[in-house]
Amino acid sequence: QKEVEQNSGPLSVPEGAIASLNCTYSDRGSQSFFWYRQYSGKSPELIMSIYSNGDKEDGRFTAQLNKASQYVSLLIRDSQPSDSATYLCAVNGEDSSYKLIFGSGTRLLVRP
Amino acid sequence: EPEVTQTPSHQVTQMGQEVILRCVPISNHLYFYWYRQILGQKVEFLVSFYNNEISEKSEIFDDQFSVERPDGSNFTLKIRSTKLEDSAMYFCASREQGELFFGEGSRLTVL
Repeated sequence: QKEVEQNSGPLSVPEGAIASLNCTYSDRGSQSFFWYRQYSGKSPELIMSIYSNGDKEDGRFTAQLNKASQYVSLLIRDSQPSDSATYLCAVNGEDSSYKLIFGSGTRLLVRP
Repeated sequence: EPEVTQTPSHQVTQMGQEVILRCVPISNHLYFYWYRQILGQKVEFLVSFYNNEISEKSEIFDDQFSVERPDGSNFTLKIRSTKLEDSAMYFCASREQGELFFGEGSRLTVL
């Protein structure tokens, strides 16, 4: 059974700080990794995708992948109150169907 | 920006009734999906669809569920005889290459 684990939080950070969100996954063959943001009652919104080890930056967001440790993280720099949401880590396996396995999400609260 | 659209946004139904949820995927996408999220729980994969057939389905997607692409634009999820535990948000998603994009969801409430 493939698993994706996240700390449920809430993670509370002050406005302007760096928020660090972490995710581990069980399937060593996983190839594709995604971070989604989900506001309460809304659908998941894709923030970042990462496919190879290392860092990938997009604006205030940096995704980090370490396949040896089966670990993915998301850093949010200069956190804003509008970043307050649940962040979902999703992982795809080796097959081509793109059945994403989601973690339960980490709730982020950015205090003004 | 192209988006996945879903209807209805909210449907209330009686247990045992049939429900059809509709989706219009992004026009150049070839792979379509249904996911669901029970309140307070994880987003769960239901089914993937490619080239007019199911490519994979989860254990949740039993004989009560079916999917169809009746024309060139719509992608539907049918639940034949709804149960209380089918109450959830149902998300349609589509992709062309690597990334999955979700619609706004259809909230199903079974009474």
